[in-house]
Amino acid sequence: SAVISQKPSRDICQRGTSLTIQCQVDSQVTMMFWYRQQPGQSLTLIATANQGSEATYESGFVIDKFPISRPNLTFSTLTVSNMSPEDSSIYLCSGERSNTGELFFGEGSRLTVL
Amino acid sequence: SQQGEEDPQALSIQEGENATMNCSYKTSINNLQWYRQNSGRGLVHLILIRSNEREKHSGRLRVTLDTSKKSSSLLITASRAADTASYFCATFASGGSYIPTFGRGTSLIVHP
Repeated sequence: SAVISQKPSRDICQRGTSLTIQCQVDSQVTMMFWYRQQPGQSLTLIATANQGSEATYESGFVIDKFPISRPNLTFSTLTVSNMSPEDSSIYLCSGERSNTGELFFGEGSRLTVL
Repeated sequence: SQQGEEDPQALSIQEGENATMNCSYKTSINNLQWYRQNSGRGLVHLILIRSNEREKHSGRLRVTLDTSKKSSSLLITASRAADTASYFCATFASGGSYIPTFGRGTSLIVHP
């Protein structure tokens, strides 16, 4: 079954800095998604990462704050820009297992912004 | 939004007991999926049930779907301490949407 390697697993960042999270999939995936999850809460979709085109962002999320790259079918990055303490959260990437509708997830990146 | 709502929000049981979690949603779906998340980890897919299915089994898991009531249940039989995790339902809207909507989750604790 497909595996996503996500890094960093956790980081502590200073206010005003930016951090890029990387996800590498061991097989080609058409759809990739980026989620944010507050501890003990549900997942909120940030954007859908499309290969060869701009990401599609959900309401409340903008490209300037969360730029996403998807250079090929096995890799994507999410940058959290100009971070504030409100950005402290777990960020998860996921891919859709082709022709099944099932999602598989990376292990998550726990960010703490001081 | 057709966000799924799980209940209970938290469930604490003894090893060997059965655990039942429920999920309700608001609009028509293509399928509904259940996921497990161990603390501090990513989500793991458990089972998918399509809108034309009423019940599905996978090992100790049993999922039911009642589209007339817009609800689903996940039953874990003979629970183990290793089942301790959060469980989420995710709905995929009918009409070809590929974007899932996750519920708030049920936190299950199984005491050894």
